[in-house]
Amino acid sequence: GDSVTQMEGPVTLSEEAFLTINCTYTATGYPSLFWYVQYPGEGLQLLLKATKADDKGSNKGFEATYRKETTSFHLEKGSVQVSDSAVYFCALRATGNQFYFGTGTSLTVIP
Amino acid sequence: EPEVTQTPSHQVTQMGQEVILRCVPISNHLYFYWYRQILGQKVEFLVSFYNNEISEKSEIFDDQFSVERPDGSNFTLKIRSTKLEDSAMYFCASWRWGNYGYTFGSGTRLTVV
Repeated sequence: GDSVTQMEGPVTLSEEAFLTINCTYTATGYPSLFWYVQYPGEGLQLLLKATKADDKGSNKGFEATYRKETTSFHLEKGSVQVSDSAVYFCALRATGNQFYFGTGTSLTVIP
Repeated sequence: EPEVTQTPSHQVTQMGQEVILRCVPISNHLYFYWYRQILGQKVEFLVSFYNNEISEKSEIFDDQFSVERPDGSNFTLKIRSTKLEDSAMYFCASWRWGNYGYTFGSGTRLTVV
């Protein structure tokens, strides 16, 4: 069945460091791929998305490219800030509109 | 920006009691969902609801669970007789065609003691 495998956390980085959170997926058909972010005490917020192979989603300095050949959608940011501290979830939307989430990766950025 | 509103933010209940978790989806959305996240685990799909009926449900969504849209604005999840393992964060989400991602609520943390 459809699933998402996400890099285990927690991740701790210094401010301005480079961030990569790995995400790979298994799906039948052509899913859409997403990154959601959950700040402390808040709900899941859509960070970025990509709907087809080779699409690059980007928002707030974060980027992820939909790679069909490696079934991956890794999240990257060139220079993290303290305010980026949150839990990041990779997700795919299957043809039935159901979402499948990864386990989440907790990121802490220290000044 | 429109929001999905969930109440309460935290509920503590005794094992065996019934609980109702409430959600107010975005007003022009037509698809509604419940997900749950047991502490430290994945966000898991429970159920989707469209046109006043369940359109899809997971294995987790057994006879103890039910959903309802009692009026034009609320969407509720009822757990008939709570178990300790029902302790989790429950997220409501809504969606409409043309949007690529759901809009999630901030969640209800359910603690069963």
